[in-house]
Amino acid sequence: AQSVAQPEDQVNVAEGNPLTVKCTYSVSGNPYLFWYVQYPNRGLQFLLKYITGDNLVKGSYGFEAEFNKSQTSFHLKKPSALVSDSALYFCAVRIPPGGSYIPTFGRGTSLIVHP
Amino acid sequence: NAGVTQTPKFRVLKTGQSMTLLCAQDMNHEYMYWYRQDPGMGLRLIHYSVGEGTTAKGEVPDGYNVSRLKKQNFLLGLESAAPSQTSVYFCASHSGANVLTFGAGSRLTVL
Repeated sequence: AQSVAQPEDQVNVAEGNPLTVKCTYSVSGNPYLFWYVQYPNRGLQFLLKYITGDNLVKGSYGFEAEFNKSQTSFHLKKPSALVSDSALYFCAVRIPPGGSYIPTFGRGTSLIVHP
Repeated sequence: NAGVTQTPKFRVLKTGQSMTLLCAQDMNHEYMYWYRQDPGMGLRLIHYSVGEGTTAKGEVPDGYNVSRLKKQNFLLGLESAAPSQTSVYFCASHSGANVLTFGAGSRLTVL
């Protein structure tokens, strides 16, 4: 079975400071990893994904994430937070074709960026 | 650029009433999903479909039924609504690219 943990329900950061939203996963095999963002009263939007290759992946809106296989983590980062980054962030995992194609989502982390 | 469209966006039901949520995608995606989102619970998978004419149960299927008669449409039905089904429902779809495209959500209140 595959699972995703987002250990923080909420992350608070001041505008201009770096931000990190944590995600750890558990799968059998090599994972496909994703981050999605949900703004208020909207559906989820794709931010970035890791399939293979470089462990540091860059995505939309200046976000990036680092895949760490030994720590089974895929933390979302941004060097300088904006108030407009305030939203709900979801990490998701699935295993490659041949296994379950159904993505498993974490419970979400609310990011609040203070002016 | 329609993507995934959910109707209706809002609905209020009385306990015991029935209704159907419609999800339509115009991206020729094979896989479609229905999730519910509740505070502190994240996204929970209700039912999913891997192609036209196929459906399967997810994590929380009780009280819901689905149909995928056409590839572009995935219907979620509540036969006898209960207050516990008050939630925001999201439809999503994807193809082999693995990235899900989500609808804007349908907010359902059961009184």
